[in-house]
Amino acid sequence: DADVTQTPRNRITKTGKRIMLECSQTKGHDRMYWYRQDPGLGLRLIYYSFDVKDINKGEISDGYSVSRQAQAKFSLSLESAIPNQTALYFCATSDSRVETQYFGPGTRLLVL
Amino acid sequence: GESVGLHLPTLSVQEGDNSIINCAYSNSASDYFIWYKQESGKGPQFIIDIRSNMDKRQGQRVTVLLNKTVKHLSLQIAATQPGDSAVYFCAETSPHTGNQFYFGTGTSLTVIP
Repeated sequence: DADVTQTPRNRITKTGKRIMLECSQTKGHDRMYWYRQDPGLGLRLIYYSFDVKDINKGEISDGYSVSRQAQAKFSLSLESAIPNQTALYFCATSDSRVETQYFGPGTRLLVL
Repeated sequence: GESVGLHLPTLSVQEGDNSIINCAYSNSASDYFIWYKQESGKGPQFIIDIRSNMDKRQGQRVTVLLNKTVKHLSLQIAATQPGDSAVYFCAETSPHTGNQFYFGTGTSLTVIP
C-alpha cells in the first residue's frame, strides 16, 4: 500500500550493530504497528502504538525498541542486532474506529 | 493461548475454477476476522473482513464464510485468475486480546493457466 512506506527496503548488517527501520504513513491513522514475518510462521507483533504518547509491547518485543516521533512516523530499532533477528519486518496502520490494518511493503533484514 | 491455523499450506487450482482456502481459530471470543493476500515481495493486502455477527460476506469475486460453532473461516475465490496466485492469511482479533491481531501461517495458492 503506497500510503504506508518503509525504509530501507533491504538491509544487511552485522551482529552487534544498532539499526533503525522507519515507517511513515499518509493515511491519517492514529494506530501503528511493527510485525516480523518468518518462514512458516504467521506475522508476530513486536510493538504497537495507539497514539503519539502510547507505546505497547507486543508478543516478541525483547531485543527491540520503538519510537513514535509523530502520528505519521513509527520507527523500530534493534539495539544490538543478532542473527535470529533476520526476518521480514512489516509496519501497519489502522484507524481507532475500524480495526482493519494496512501494511507497508516490508523491510528485509539480514543479520550476519 | 491464541492459535490461528490453516488446514492446507499449499493449494493449486486451474484458471477459471473456484478456490477455497480454510482457516481454523481457537478463541471463541474472536469477533473480527480479516483475509489478507500477500504477493511475493509485497506486504499483506486487505481482501475482505467479517464480524462475528455475520456468517457470510461477499466482495468482488470473493466470499468469506464464518462458522462460529466450529470456529472455522473460509475464503472462496470465484473464477480464479493467475493474478490470484499469492499467499493468503487469515487474522482474528477479540476485545480480550486488546484488539491485537493473530495471524495464520498462510496458504500458498498457485493458479495453473
